[in-house]
This record gives sequence, structure tokens and C-alpha cells, in this order.
Amino acid sequence: GAVVSQHPSWVICKSGTSVKIECRSLDFQATTMFWYRQFPKQSLMLMATSNEGSKATYEQGVEKDKFLINHASLTLSTLTVTSAHPEDSSFYICSARGGAYTGELFFGEGSRLTVL
Amino acid sequence: GQQVMQIPQYQHVQEGEDFTTYCNSSTTLSNIQWYKQRPGGHPVFLIQLVKSGEVKKQKRLTFQFGEAKKNSSLHITATQTTDVGTYFCAGRLQGAQKLVFGQGTRLTINP
Repeated sequence: GAVVSQHPSWVICKSGTSVKIECRSLDFQATTMFWYRQFPKQSLMLMATSNEGSKATYEQGVEKDKFLINHASLTLSTLTVTSAHPEDSSFYICSARGGAYTGELFFGEGSRLTVL
Repeated sequence: GQQVMQIPQYQHVQEGEDFTTYCNSSTTLSNIQWYKQRPGGHPVFLIQLVKSGEVKKQKRLTFQFGEAKKNSSLHITATQTTDVGTYFCAGRLQGAQKLVFGQGTRLTINP
């Protein structure tokens, strides 16, 4: 199957700093990417939908100024957590969909963010 | 908003026993997908169901999509330790891009 690479896998940062997470589709062009947040032993909460070349669509309750999403190319989307605080500590996962509109999602490995 | 409810939240079985997880949507779905997430890992696609009443099998796994396209189930026959993980259903509304994930069912197995 298709491969989606997410980097970094782990990141620890100080409160108030910003952290960028990258999501790359390695062997296909991802017209749409999704960013999720997952708390321990809980489900995937969709944060935003990112379409290449356009602004991301954020879910209700997700602060767009805090979670900046950029999808500048068909193979790369980035999530920047700005001015991170301990409550932002979580597991962030991206997923990408290539061709078919209703096709399966390919997930990245996830990035565990810990804010001290 | 659209909700997808999944039960049970946890299931512990003896190896060799069967396992079933159920998904129910508040609205009619265009299609439903199932994913498996191993402990410490990321979700991996298992299958997609599109047609009303559809049943699909993958070895010991049987997936069903309800006639009204509002509910779905995943049944595992004779569980093995490799089946351990969290199983998520994810539903999509007609014309929508995003999938709405259920809460997941965490399966643990006593060997």
C-alpha cells in the first residue's frame, strides 16, 4: 500500500515555543490530507482537512491560529503548533488520500508531542 | 453533527473465542471503513463497505454494512494473539470528504 511518512516521531519542547510536524506522501500524490489528535486510549479527533493549494478547513473548536496547517504541495502537509502549552501534549496523526474521492486513508506513524 | 457510536469500548477474550464490535451512525452513510491500530502504532486500513447489506470477509474477519447504511459490524472468528489492537469504524456522509471515526474497541486477548 501507499506510504505516508510523518516526522518527527517524538518531540519535547518548552512551553511557549512552536513545533512543526511534517506529513509526506512518499509514493503518491495526496490531494487531501487530514490531521488528527489522539489522546491515550481514545479515538481519532479530526482537527482539520487540508487540500493542496488552498486553506485548511478546521473542525469546530480547533483554533486555526494555534494549529497552523500548510499543504503547499501534493506530497507535503505541515502542522505547526504555535506557542505550545502542556495541554497541547498529545499524539498527532496525519492521513492522506490519493486518487479516489472515497478511497481509503493512509496514515502516518504519528508524532507524540510533549510540552514541558 | 454527525456521530458514529462504537461499542463495546473494551473487550477481553480468551484466545480462540470470537469477537464482535458494532458501529452505529446517527445519519445514513455513503460508506464505512474499518481500521486497526496496534498498541503504539498508527491506524491501518482493513476494508471499505459501500453497498446496503454488504458482507465482506477477510480470512477470519467478517464485515457487515446494514441495510439502512447506518450500522456496521466487524466479527473475528477464533481470535489469535495477533488480533490484539483497537478497531475503529469510520463513516462518511454522502458528498463529504471527511471520515468520522467511532470511539474504537480495544481488544485484548488472554493466550
